[in-house]
Amino acid sequence: DAGVIQSPRHEVTEMGQEVTLRCKPISGHNSLFWYRQTMMRGLELLIYFNNNVPIDDSGMPEDRFSAKMPNASFSTLKIQPSEPRDSAVYFCASSPPNRGRYNEQFFGPGTRLTVL
Amino acid sequence: GENVEQHPSTLSVQEGDSAVIKCTYSDSASNYFPWYKQELGKRPQLIIDIRSNVGEKKDQRIAVTLNKTAKHFSLHITETQPEDSAVYFCAASRGNQFYFGTGTSLTVIP
Repeated sequence: DAGVIQSPRHEVTEMGQEVTLRCKPISGHNSLFWYRQTMMRGLELLIYFNNNVPIDDSGMPEDRFSAKMPNASFSTLKIQPSEPRDSAVYFCASSPPNRGRYNEQFFGPGTRLTVL
Repeated sequence: GENVEQHPSTLSVQEGDSAVIKCTYSDSASNYFPWYKQELGKRPQLIIDIRSNVGEKKDQRIAVTLNKTAKHFSLHITETQPEDSAVYFCAASRGNQFYFGTGTSLTVIP
């Protein structure tokens, strides 16, 4: 298995532009998570989906952020309009259906976003 | 919700010495405690985990202990090597959602 796939790996954009980050979870996994990582705030959960349905989006910073999961193999995180403070590494992670009560999360390589 | 605190934020040890990282959590219903290692510029990767029905788990030079009564768990790395240098994150989980600590940057000095 190729693992969790994210694209692009690096994105540099100007303030005000729309940014779309993409994620393909591991085949067979039914939970998908979007995280943001910065030096100041560490790893923050933005949103997570279970069976393509958003379960908890309380970590989404504001209305400029939106996430979708149209099918089991694809998710997007969109920022519009982008701002310099959105600069961070964005990770996508997926986990398999419950095995008992415990689930390991597998992280993608991340997208390093720089907003100028 | 769950609140996970992790200490120390930075740790330097001499090669061959032991390193200990500690985490506390607030939700007594949390039942799964993974530890992730993140090397510079790389993704977090699971190195060891412990379930709530176990007090200690060991995998070669790495061990994790859990005290459910006190709601704290720790990562122990023995005989540290330069390749152990990385940021380590603890997490507490109940169900699908993980709550991560703020990370510990470990430097092993050759």
